[in-house]
Amino acid sequence: DAMVIQNPRYQVTQFGKPVTLSCSQTLNHNVMYWYQQKSSQAPKLLFHYYDKDFNNEADTPDNFQSRRPNTSFCFLDIRSPGLGDAAMYLCATSRGGQGKGNEQFFGPGTRLTVL
Amino acid sequence: AQSVAQPEDQVNVAEGNPLTVKCTYSVSGNPYLFWYVQYPNRGLQFLLKYITGDNLVKGSYGFEAEFNKSQTSFHLKKPSALVSDSALYFCAVKVGLYSGAGSYQLTFGKGTKLSVIP
Repeated sequence: DAMVIQNPRYQVTQFGKPVTLSCSQTLNHNVMYWYQQKSSQAPKLLFHYYDKDFNNEADTPDNFQSRRPNTSFCFLDIRSPGLGDAAMYLCATSRGGQGKGNEQFFGPGTRLTVL
Repeated sequence: AQSVAQPEDQVNVAEGNPLTVKCTYSVSGNPYLFWYVQYPNRGLQFLLKYITGDNLVKGSYGFEAEFNKSQTSFHLKKPSALVSDSALYFCAVKVGLYSGAGSYQLTFGKGTKLSVIP
C-alpha cells in the first residue's frame, strides 16, 4: 500500500545533542510537510517542500532544518534540541499542482523525548 | 487571517447515539475544509473534505459533515457512535499559497476529544 513512513517512531536524545528524524513516502507526491505537535495541541507547520523548493514558516526556529534529497525522502534536523522541543513530529505529503482540494496524508509520527 | 474554531474541548456520547463535533471557520473566499482523526500516539487520518458542491459530505468510517455557508460551520456527524470512534478530532482549513506551486498550509483547530461511552 502507498504510504508515509516515519522512522524512528520513538526517539530519545539528550539536551543539545543533534537529532535527525526521517520520513519517506511511496505516494510520489510533490509536497512534503513537517509539523510539530505538542501534547493535546493542534499540529503546527514547521516547513514544507514543493519538489525541491523549501518553504519555511516565519516562526519556525533556526534550530530546525530540513533536507529533501529526492522525491521520496525528507529529513528533519534539530541542531540543538531543548526541553521545549519534546513533541510529536508529523510528516505529511500531498499532491501539488492545480489540485487545490488535495488532502494531506500523514505518517504515524515520531515522538521525540529530550532528556 | 483564515482560521477554524472547535468550541468544545471534549464531547461525550453514549454508544449507539448520534454524535456531533462542531467546527466553525473564518476565511476570505471559498473555504476548503477538512476533518482528520487522531488516535493516541498515531498520525492524523483523513476523514473527509469539502471543496465545492453538495453541502453534505460523506467520508470514511460512516462519518459525514455538513457545510453551512450562512453559519460558517462544518460540523462532523455520525448517526450511531461506536466505542472505537473515541479519538481526537481536528477540523482544518486550507490556506492556499496560490503562487502557482499548488502547495498549501492546513490550519488546524485545537481539536476535540470524543469519548464514546459503552
